[in-house]
Amino acid sequence: GAGVSQSPRYKVAKRGQDVALRCDPISGHVSLFWYQQALGQGPEFLTYFQNEAQLDKSGLPSDRFFAERPEGSVSTLKIQRTQQEDSAVYLCASSLYTGGAKNIQYFGAGTRLSVL
Amino acid sequence: DAKTTQPTSMDCAEGRAANLPCNHSTISGNEYVYWYRQIHSQGPQYIIHGLKNNETNEMASLIITEDRKSSTLILPHATLRDTAVYYCIVRVLNTGTASKLTFGTGTRLQVTL
Repeated sequence: GAGVSQSPRYKVAKRGQDVALRCDPISGHVSLFWYQQALGQGPEFLTYFQNEAQLDKSGLPSDRFFAERPEGSVSTLKIQRTQQEDSAVYLCASSLYTGGAKNIQYFGAGTRLSVL
Repeated sequence: DAKTTQPTSMDCAEGRAANLPCNHSTISGNEYVYWYRQIHSQGPQYIIHGLKNNETNEMASLIITEDRKSSTLILPHATLRDTAVYYCIVRVLNTGTASKLTFGTGTRLQVTL
């Protein structure tokens, strides 16, 4: 079956531009996560949705970062006025349930953002 | 979530068992141990998880010490395709809401011919 799909795979932006990154989770998955991965580092949590509700946005680094999931399926991560330090791979993950030990997160391949 | 400590890198010959250690000395009783791996240019992939008993699936085995302060992921017959960064994650499970994963820097496993 289809996995988590992210688009675009690569994005180059000039400093100051706005960007939008898309995540298509596995169909029927309730939970959706966004992570940011800097070069040579492990992924770091940004935000979490349960259906359309954004329950945790504690990892968003600034108010330039905004995420939404209006219909509880596709999610968009938007970064306004991009800065060079925003350059990273942005990973999306989805899971079927809301909790429990067997609630496995399945990741997409990520969007590599380069800000020039 | 409890902090984990892993070696930065390891090598393993193809066909041999790869044993990847992880220390989590501050783990709490309600925290699970999860292992994910990340192959180059891909997203992380779930491998296995456990609470206190040893676990085995089609990918790997997880051995957790009796005091739960450390664990070992075992790939019984490593292949070149197992070359990846392996992350050991300790995670509190919530009821009602999903819990985030807190990744460290992981162990870079290089499988060689």
